[in-house]
Amino acid sequence: RKEVEQDPGPFNVPEGATVAFNCTYSNSASQSFFWYRQDCRKEPKLLMSVYSSGNEDGRFTAQLNRASQYISLLIRDSKLSDSATYLCVGAKAAGNKLTFGGGTRVLVKP
Amino acid sequence: DAGVIQSPRHEVTEMGQEVTLRCKPISGHNSLFWYRQTMMRGLELLIYFNNNVPIDDSGMPEDRFSAKMPNASFSTLKIQPSEPRDSAVYFCASLYAGEQYFGPGTRLTVT
Repeated sequence: RKEVEQDPGPFNVPEGATVAFNCTYSNSASQSFFWYRQDCRKEPKLLMSVYSSGNEDGRFTAQLNRASQYISLLIRDSKLSDSATYLCVGAKAAGNKLTFGGGTRVLVKP
Repeated sequence: DAGVIQSPRHEVTEMGQEVTLRCKPISGHNSLFWYRQTMMRGLELLIYFNNNVPIDDSGMPEDRFSAKMPNASFSTLKIQPSEPRDSAVYFCASLYAGEQYFGPGTRLTVT
């Protein structure tokens, strides 16, 4: 079993709609979590960190559920520019040795 | 700042040839990471350095792969000899304040 697992999608989302997806992690994997975004044929870029209390950054909300070992990302009022692959990432220590999930592809359509 | 710089951006080579990928991290970033990304296996960490010292190379697939960081501003990843299954995008990333900044990647094709 992979340390960080994600539904590969694609999630086809109408523009303006809300989309949410999760990733699960194994107990031995990580203490810190992040969401990275990767556009087609580009490098991954940090979208947001994930805190136990949940955190919001504009239209994006991230949640961490340690009891059930999953992380979620919710995108409200989806824009066409939100189309990308979203990578769930765990780290044993802040910033070091990241373990990436396989990514969830999101396609926002007009 | 120019960000993390990688060269070449694309490399096409024949099986058996030596391939050298280069990375210049962002100035002042003390940790450097090499990743490989394929459709089948996703993004995998190969090796990382702290202050130019290799810390964890457990992700290096086999002895054909080697990485060096002779100084704080330069690192290489070498594959010798290359094989078709090495075809992938290789990313370099450097770390600052808990965030990893990725370079644009080198797309390697081994025929």
